[in-house]
Amino acid sequence: DIQMTQSPSSLSASVGDRVTITCRASQSINRYLNWYQQKPGQAPKLLIYAASNLQSGVPSGFSGSGSGTDFTFTISSLQPEDFATYYCQQSYSTFKTFGQGTKVEIK
Amino acid sequence: QVQLVQSGAEVKKPGASVKVSCEASGYTFTSYDINWVRQAAGQGLEWMGWMNPNSGNTGYAQKFLGRVTMTRSTSISTAYMELSSLRSEDTAVYFCAREIGVSLVQGAIPYYYYHMDVWGQGTTVTVSS
Repeated sequence: DIQMTQSPSSLSASVGDRVTITCRASQSINRYLNWYQQKPGQAPKLLIYAASNLQSGVPSGFSGSGSGTDFTFTISSLQPEDFATYYCQQSYSTFKTFGQGTKVEIK
Repeated sequence: QVQLVQSGAEVKKPGASVKVSCEASGYTFTSYDINWVRQAAGQGLEWMGWMNPNSGNTGYAQKFLGRVTMTRSTSISTAYMELSSLRSEDTAVYFCAREIGVSLVQGAIPYYYYHMDVWGQGTTVTVSS
């Protein structure tokens, strides 16, 4: 299976901060990398697909980049509603895997 | 609107089986794969497997081989996930998700990129004696 490693596992930030999360794959996955946001008690929500494509309806403050094994997810200016857990997920393999998640907390 | 609606919470004893349903509406059920993902309390997302509603073909994560079965009923646009030989570690919220593919061109070559764009609300399964 392809292993996905996210860092950091958690971070504290203030409203207005720029936040960056990284995700590393155990083998090259081209751009088959998606990012999801999950708030407590809710289902995950797709934010970014194919490494850098913003899902319809998602604010432009979210962005993604990378290819191969190394990927980055960025929130340009953290908003109160952005405090949540973020997951990367590879779709290169038929057998999908998620990163362990990054919890973004209020400083 | 496109949505997936899952069945209600279940409480099962160790060794029993559970079958969770996921009813699709607002789109052609047979056009997109359904994936199942679970999440134990305070833990991350764990992918369990996929099913093609058109063919019935499935693919399961190694961890669940022999214990999970994914099926569907096309007449009622519903996917099912059955997990057997339940143990306490299977206590979790189980989600179904539609997986859609988008064609994007890279260097004049089209690639299909897959992602889970619509999720069910989750079904809590509690395994307890």
